Amino acid sequence: EPEVTQTPSHQVTQMGQEVILRCVPISNHLYFYWYRQILGQKVEFLVSFYNNEISEKSEIFDDQFSVERPDGSNFTLKIRSTKLEDSAMYFCASKSSGGVTNEKLFFGSGTQLSVL
Amino acid sequence: DAKTTQPPSMDCAEGRAANLPCNHSTISGNEYVYWYRQIHSQGPQYIIHGLKNNETNEMASLIITEDRKSSTLILPHATLRDTAVYYCIVRVAGNQFYFGTGTSLTVIP
Repeated sequence: EPEVTQTPSHQVTQMGQEVILRCVPISNHLYFYWYRQILGQKVEFLVSFYNNEISEKSEIFDDQFSVERPDGSNFTLKIRSTKLEDSAMYFCASKSSGGVTNEKLFFGSGTQLSVL
Repeated sequence: DAKTTQPPSMDCAEGRAANLPCNHSTISGNEYVYWYRQIHSQGPQYIIHGLKNNETNEMASLIITEDRKSSTLILPHATLRDTAVYYCIVRVAGNQFYFGTGTSLTVIP
């Protein structure tokens, strides 16, 4: 079965540093997402991306965050200046062209970000 | 935001059916019921979804009450690998998936 691939699986960084989390969505998918999960807490929506632009973002997704689809296969999440509270598991997700009966969201296995 | 209520935890004996309830009393007519699960800290995994009718696939069955105010996810023969957090989500097609706190299911040998 096709899958969403995320790299790296673990990322350790110093507070204030920039990080880029990378994702390769399923190849024929058009809608892309980032979610995060702080240890012991809920899975939280960050941002959705379609047609090379952000379609929706949550309050968490402030100016420190940005997303990009630099080529036809990668989808990245950049955190400009990391804070301790950015430590979390970050999940990338994608789905295909949509439509009522085809709304399955496929998640990657996540990148564990630790900010020291 | 999550508009569902689920019990925080449940146990099920291996080989028995696991019945996971979900209340969504404020569901509107165009909102679907989705179920996902998360094993350990892996990415959430799609299980099943439905609108009004009961649904079945290779993983599970979804039973939605006639008034649509509640539903039950059924894993017909639970295995140890089904131990996970199960999320019930209601949403309008095209909107985001918002996860609640889910039900932590433990399958006991």
